[in-house]
Amino acid sequence: EDKVVQSPLSLVVHEGDTVTLNCSYEVTNFRSLLWYKQEKKAPTFLFMLTSSGIEKKSGRLSSILDKKELSSILNITATQTGDSAIYLCAVEVYQGAQKLVFGQGTRLTINP
Amino acid sequence: SAVISQKPSRDICQRGTSLTIQCQVDSQVTMMFWYRQQPGQSLTLIATANQGSEATYESGFVIDKFPISRPNLTFSTLTVSNMSPEDSSIYLCSGRAYGELFFGEGSRLTVL
Repeated sequence: EDKVVQSPLSLVVHEGDTVTLNCSYEVTNFRSLLWYKQEKKAPTFLFMLTSSGIEKKSGRLSSILDKKELSSILNITATQTGDSAIYLCAVEVYQGAQKLVFGQGTRLTINP
Repeated sequence: SAVISQKPSRDICQRGTSLTIQCQVDSQVTMMFWYRQQPGQSLTLIATANQGSEATYESGFVIDKFPISRPNLTFSTLTVSNMSPEDSSIYLCSGRAYGELFFGEGSRLTVL
C-alpha cells in the first residue's frame, strides 16, 4: 500500500525562525512529489519535484527531493505569521491512472 | 493556473438525505478528482471523474454512495447519498492542468 508520512505533525515557532518540514514516502510507480499549503479549505500549490537533488525555490520557501532516501524537505526561512497553515506533501503515483497520495500534513503555527 | 469553483461552499444536512456538489473549472482539464478531508485528517481520494463514462473509485468508496458525473471537460458533480454523521467532511474537487493539480475551495458538509 502506498504511504506518505510527514513530520513533525505539529510545529510552533516564533516569527523569524527557520523551519524544515519532512516528507517520506513508500510507493510504487513514483512520478513526482508535490507540496501544498492549506490555510482554510483549498490547498494551494507550492512545488512539484521530479528530479533528485535539484532545489526549487520561491521567495522564502524552498524544497528538494532525495529519491535515494525517498524523502523531501520543505524549508521556510524568516517565517511570518502568514506562513501559519497546514503543509501537505503528496506523491503522484501511476496505478493505471495518475493519482495523488497525501501525507497527514504538518500544522505550522508562527507566533509573533 | 486554472480556477475551480465549487458549490455549495457549506451545508448542513439531515441524516438520510443526499446532497450534490458541483465543480466548474474555467478551462479544460485533462483529469478531475474528488477528495474527502475528514476533520483533522489529510485528503483521501474518493474517485477520478472520467468524462462521459463511469468514475473510477478508490478502495472503500462505491458508486451507490458517491455517484459522480462528468458530462464535459470542465464540469463534474459528486453526490453524497443517504448521508450519516460520519459523512461530515470537507469535499474537494481538483483538476489537472498545465502539469499541476488545482483544488476548488471545498464544500464543508455537516450531517446532523
